[in-house]
Amino acid sequence: DGGITQSPKYLFRKEGQNVTLSCEQNLNHDAMYWYRQDPGQGLRLIYYSQIVNDFQKGDIAEGYSVSREKKESFPLTVTSAQKNPTAFYLCASSIEQLGKNIQYFGAGTRLSVL
Amino acid sequence: SQQGEEDPQALSIQEGENATMNCSYKTSINNLQWYRQNSGRGLVHLILIRSNEREKHSGRLRVTLDTSKKSSSLLITASRAADTASYFCATASGGSYIPTFGRGTSLIVHP
Repeated sequence: DGGITQSPKYLFRKEGQNVTLSCEQNLNHDAMYWYRQDPGQGLRLIYYSQIVNDFQKGDIAEGYSVSREKKESFPLTVTSAQKNPTAFYLCASSIEQLGKNIQYFGAGTRLSVL
Repeated sequence: SQQGEEDPQALSIQEGENATMNCSYKTSINNLQWYRQNSGRGLVHLILIRSNEREKHSGRLRVTLDTSKKSSSLLITASRAADTASYFCATASGGSYIPTFGRGTSLIVHP
């Protein structure tokens, strides 16, 4: 089954704690993305990576960190510096071809603060 | 910053009726996409329309693009209860083809 797998589905963070959200893809896509979605809002880009060992900040990178050591994996760490982490986090991957960037999404991780 | 803005924010219709959602954007685009999101799930790509295209169809979906008005519409014909979801437009502009998503239209189709 080809696709994007995000885990865990639900995650709880204590004050001052770092937590890591997992994202794995077997679509052989070069590019991967992390988005944050708040209730009634659109998606805001946190970080993206277009190739292994390289990544770029999106619109709201503060308080987050990523790594891209393997093509298949793009984990997101929500650090203690992110003061309002409660949100729905979506990971996506894509291939850019002929001017098209169609995104394939995982099922999301819902993060709450205890 | 968000590029596309969907209208209306919420839409409630009966099964069998048509549903029309609009997306307006501010700057010239390379292409525009529509995505669907079921509650608590990831987004699913529906259709992409390039800036030099005016209309595209996919099954019961019809998308139009008017670059002079900087707007697009998504029409779902003969809607079904299973079409209940949020629908997002996403625009790519400038030198980047990474889409920027709007806030979405929440569609409820009553059986």
